[in-house]
Amino acid sequence: EDQVTQSPEALRLQEGESSSLNCSYTVSGLRGLFWYRQDPGKGPEFLFTLYSAGEEKEKERLKATLTKKESFLHITAPKPEDSATYLCAVSNFGNEKLTFGTGTRLTIIP
Amino acid sequence: DADVTQTPRNRITKTGKRIMLECSQTKGHDRMYWYRQDPGLGLRLIYYSFDVKDINKGEISDGYSVSRQAQAKFSLSLESAIPNQTALYFCATSDGTDLWPEAFFGQGTRLTVV
Repeated sequence: EDQVTQSPEALRLQEGESSSLNCSYTVSGLRGLFWYRQDPGKGPEFLFTLYSAGEEKEKERLKATLTKKESFLHITAPKPEDSATYLCAVSNFGNEKLTFGTGTRLTIIP
Repeated sequence: DADVTQTPRNRITKTGKRIMLECSQTKGHDRMYWYRQDPGLGLRLIYYSFDVKDINKGEISDGYSVSRQAQAKFSLSLESAIPNQTALYFCATSDGTDLWPEAFFGQGTRLTVV
């Protein structure tokens, strides 16, 4: 059974204070690892897909990296508008379904 | 207009009532999903459909049923609602022709069963 664990559950940062969110996963055959952003009361919004260990992707102040056991979402010099819950999910080649972690709730304080 | 539209956005219903949540998409995707989200439990898959004739149970299908009326429409029914089905429900779509299909989500339906 695929499993995804995200840490920390919640993170409060001052504006401009860089940090990283962690996503540890267990999957029988990783097809892809996905990062989503979710604002309160809204549906998750796709950010990145990572396919293989060593891969990195960037978007504005966010950079996602992938190893064989975990992924990190690095946030550089965050702004208050980066406040959201960040979700990690994996899919495997066997069933192609997404298994989600419980998310990290990020708050950026002005 | 949103690519994935869910109706209603909010619903309060009584225990034992039948309720249907509807989802329609304009992305032309073949795959559609229903998830529920509860605090501390994350998104859990209820049912999924890879095409009109294909319906599959997810990890928490008990108490739910679905209907794929067309490629663009996928509805979720609670035959006899109970309070522990109070949750935020999301419909999602993905493109089965993509090697690494990401899911696109609707805005959600907040369901309260009293």
